[in-house]
Amino acid sequence: DTQMTQSPSSLSASVGDRVTITCRASQTVNKYVNWYQQKPGEAPKVLIHTTSNLLSGVPSRFSGSGFGTDFTLTISSLQPEDFATYYCQQSYNHPITFGGGTEVEIK
Amino acid sequence: EAQLVESGGGLVQPGGSLRLSCAASGFTFSAFSMSWVRQAPGKGPEWLATTKQGENDIQYVDFVKGRFTISRDNAKNSLYLQMDSLRVEDTAVYYCTKWMGAQSILDCWGQGTLVTVSS
Repeated sequence: DTQMTQSPSSLSASVGDRVTITCRASQTVNKYVNWYQQKPGEAPKVLIHTTSNLLSGVPSRFSGSGFGTDFTLTISSLQPEDFATYYCQQSYNHPITFGGGTEVEIK
Repeated sequence: EAQLVESGGGLVQPGGSLRLSCAASGFTFSAFSMSWVRQAPGKGPEWLATTKQGENDIQYVDFVKGRFTISRDNAKNSLYLQMDSLRVEDTAVYYCTKWMGAQSILDCWGQGTLVTVSS
């Protein structure tokens, strides 16, 4: 199975900070990485698909990049509503796998 | 707007069975692939199974093969997960999810239903 390793597992940041989360795949996943945001008590919500494509309604402060095995999610200016846990997911290899998550906390 | 509502979770003893249901609305259910995904407390999501538009096109993750069965009824806009031989480690919130396209972009999730396997 393709292991998706996220780092860091948690981070503390302030409103307005630039935040970068990385996701490394154990084998190539081409460009097929999606990013999800999950708030406590809620289901995950997809933010970005296929590395860098924002879903409709997702603020432009979110961006994604990468190819092959290394991917990043960047929040250019952290807002109060962005404090949540973020997961990467690959859809290139069977089975579909998710990362372990990065919790973004308020500093 | 697409909406998914799961039901059927609860407390079950090890070795027992449960059948989860998911009622879909707000989109043409038969035109989309659907998956079950679970999430254990404090862990990342875990994909379990997918049924594509054709009711016979099904995939499973290895650790549920032979124990879990995904099915769909396009006439009833419903997705199901029959879970047998349940184990303590199957304890999780189970989500019904909809694919956005050919790749597994999970663009709609239900609220989840909690399955607790315990004696």
